[in-house]
Amino acid sequence: KAGVTQTPRYLIKTRGQQVTLSCSPISGHRSVSWYQQTPGQGLQFLFEYFSETQRNKGNFPGRFSGRQFSNSRSEMNVSTLELGDSALYLCASSWASGLSTDTQYFGPGTRLTVL
Amino acid sequence: QKEVEQNSGPLSVPEGAIASLNCTYSDRGSQSFFWYRQYSGKSPELIMFIYSNGDKEDGRFTAQLNKASQYVSLLIRDSQPSDSATYLCAVPYNNAGNMLTFGGGTRLMVKP
Repeated sequence: KAGVTQTPRYLIKTRGQQVTLSCSPISGHRSVSWYQQTPGQGLQFLFEYFSETQRNKGNFPGRFSGRQFSNSRSEMNVSTLELGDSALYLCASSWASGLSTDTQYFGPGTRLTVL
Repeated sequence: QKEVEQNSGPLSVPEGAIASLNCTYSDRGSQSFFWYRQYSGKSPELIMFIYSNGDKEDGRFTAQLNKASQYVSLLIRDSQPSDSATYLCAVPYNNAGNMLTFGGGTRLMVKP
């Protein structure tokens, strides 16, 4: 079974631009979560989508948004990029069983560099 | 807000030794705990999860959970140089498995 895929793998943008990242979950997984990883802040939860609806949201500004399509694929968008947005953006998918043991599997990530 | 704490390390152990990685959490209501391994430049990879007090074994890995003391640990037996990585402890927020709060990770170095 194919794993979580993310595109693009690397991205370089300049301040003020916007960017869209894409994630395809493992087949059958209904939940997609996004995380940001930086050396200073570690891994931080951005938001989670389930059935095309944002179900949970982390503590990030409104410049960060996302959506999920009917086939469970998800995109996240960052508008008006800032230098501090440089990070590894990780997508994770799960069955969304509703149990606390619901396991998330991560994609390879998108490395975003903002110049 | 839930907090998950880990010693950043590096934890250095010789090849063949037991590596012990610890994690403490703040929310007494937390029910399940995940350990991920992350190699440099790669994404986190699930090692195992545990939700019952006591030990859970999977190959060379053993997770230990003590809810009364609010800590979870990961033991790696017969450590190999290929185990050198950062190990991340994660706790579901609101016990919803789709939102994880991560510790800062412990960097493990296994020396040949």
